[in-house]
Amino acid sequence: EAQVTQNPRYLITVTGKKLTVTCSQNMNHEYMSWYRQDPGLGLRQIYYSMNVEVTDKGDVPEGYKVSRKEKRNFPLILESPSPNQTSLYFCASRPGIGESNQPQHFGDGTRLSIL
Amino acid sequence: AQSVSQHNHHVILSEAASLELGCNYSYGGTVNLFWYVQYPGQHLQLLLKYFSGDPLVKGIKGFEAEFIKSKFSFNLRKPSVQWSDTAEYFCAVNLGGFKTIFGAGTRLFVKA
Repeated sequence: EAQVTQNPRYLITVTGKKLTVTCSQNMNHEYMSWYRQDPGLGLRQIYYSMNVEVTDKGDVPEGYKVSRKEKRNFPLILESPSPNQTSLYFCASRPGIGESNQPQHFGDGTRLSIL
Repeated sequence: AQSVSQHNHHVILSEAASLELGCNYSYGGTVNLFWYVQYPGQHLQLLLKYFSGDPLVKGIKGFEAEFIKSKFSFNLRKPSVQWSDTAEYFCAVNLGGFKTIFGAGTRLFVKA
């Protein structure tokens, strides 16, 4: 089954404790992206990746890092989480840059609470 | 700056009522347009998309949307909503490949 898998689904942690949210897709997609969803603001893009070792900032990259060492994985790293990063996070993927008319496939989301 | 505006943040309808959700974007280049739906507790799923051709596109579950280039709009419509359409709806615009911008979303509640 084609899917985007995020882990963990829920996490409560404290300020400053480094965390990683993993994202994996099994569709051989080149393009992957991270979003955060906040009430009244919709989804805002954090980072995206066009292919292995190629990443770029979205609209709200501050406080986040990403890496793309393999095509299927695109982890989101919070080096020193702060309460304003409490949010619902979605990973998404789609085929490559030449297929921007294709929809994104979304993971089930990760709800982070930073105390 | 590029942006996507969804005019209604909350909509309450009775079953069988007609639905129209507005979406306008600000970007002068070629765009690919999407409507996604998020049912409670679930991830976003594609309702429909437009990238070229007939500006009236049909999607799943009886939804359709019309792209009006001169108005930079991509409004979502459904002639008769059902209780199961209760969800949050997002308009999204892909700006020529790299970036996708989402609207703030419209929460639809359909009364049975």
